[in-house]
This record gives sequence, structure tokens and C-alpha cells, in this order.
Amino acid sequence: DTGVSQDPRHKITKRGQNVTFRCDPISEHNRLYWYRQTLGQGPEFLTYFQNEAQLEKSRLLSDRFSAERPKGSFSTLEIQRTEQGDSAMYLCASSPSGTDTQYFGPGTRLTVL
Amino acid sequence: GENVEQHPSTLSVQEGDSAVIKCTYSDSASNYFPWYKQELGKRPQLIIDIRSNVGEKKDQRIAVTLNKTAKHFSLHITETQPEDSAVYFCALSGGYNKLIFGAGTRLAVHP
Repeated sequence: DTGVSQDPRHKITKRGQNVTFRCDPISEHNRLYWYRQTLGQGPEFLTYFQNEAQLEKSRLLSDRFSAERPKGSFSTLEIQRTEQGDSAMYLCASSPSGTDTQYFGPGTRLTVL
Repeated sequence: GENVEQHPSTLSVQEGDSAVIKCTYSDSASNYFPWYKQELGKRPQLIIDIRSNVGEKKDQRIAVTLNKTAKHFSLHITETQPEDSAVYFCALSGGYNKLIFGAGTRLAVHP
């Protein structure tokens, strides 16, 4: 499968724990986006990377959230001190330069108990 | 910030009928308008997109129209089939090409 992949697909954690998700974009896609989707809503933008540079962060991304893309390939999203309100589907998307089209991964569903 | 309103939130049609979903927006700087289909538990899949330099685009049973003056764009599905049942999201591009999504339309096609 040469599409966007995400790991894990599901994560259940207790409130206050830290979690980390990984996204592997389509090879040679230099743009990478993270979105959050809650039940019954459309995806909401969280952050954007062009290669290894994080160029934009949404106000939704509190200081408990951090994202990295150290070598301009895969990306990680970490949530510290999780809260029940963090429960959602976290989607990653990638896009090649010169096009607007974004390809989504299957998402990581986070449940905070 | 930019906002996209999508209507209706649910749509129920008989197989073979047409379905139309409409989205309105406020930021006239947007120039890319994709539509995604999301089946239960699956990733959003791009089904069609349109750029601001054209008014209409068609791909088999799916078409999208864009009215930049009125700031709305619509998805048209003809000859609907049960496998068209899903949630459909409109979106538009913001800064750095991030996508701003509507709230979605749950389409049910009844045999």
C-alpha cells in the first residue's frame, strides 16, 4: 500500500497519560497536514509541515500538543496530559508540491477514559 | 476566520434519484474547492475538486459547480446507487493550502 499510513489505528488511554501518533506520508510528498475529526463533524486543521519546517499551527493546538517532522518524511503528533476532550480521530494528510490535492491516512482513533 | 456552511446535514433519496449538496463560504481568496466522501470508519476520499478558474466540472455521475460571485459551490450526484451512501464533506483551501471543511452531509440511498 503506497498511500498515507498512520500508527496506531486505535489508542485507548487514561486521562493524564501522554500519547504519540505516527504518520508516514506518500513518498516524496513534501507537504504534511494533521487534522482532528470529532463525531459528526468535518476534519479541523491542526498543523502543517513543508518538509521538516512546521509553518502553521492552529489555535486548536494547545501547548499540550506538539508535532515534529524531523527529516521531512514521517511525522509524529504527541499529546501530553491527555484530557477526555482530546478523544477524536486524528487524521494525517500529505500533498506533493505544485498541487492542492491532499491524500488522507486512515486516522488514529484516540479514546481518553 | 474562514467558515464553510454545508447543507443539508442529512439527505435521503431513492436509488436512481439525484442528490445535491450545497456549501457557502465567506473568504473570496479561496481558489480550490474539493469534495470528500467518507464511509463509516474509513479515511476521507477525494471524489472531485474544482478550481476558481472554472465554473463546472463533471466526472461520470458526479459534478461540481462553483459560483464565485455568490460564494457557493455544489455537488451533484446523478443516478444514485446504494454504494453512494456515505458522509460527504465540502472543503476549501486556506493559507498554506490547509483545508477548511464543512460539517458534512450524511447521504442515504435507499434501494
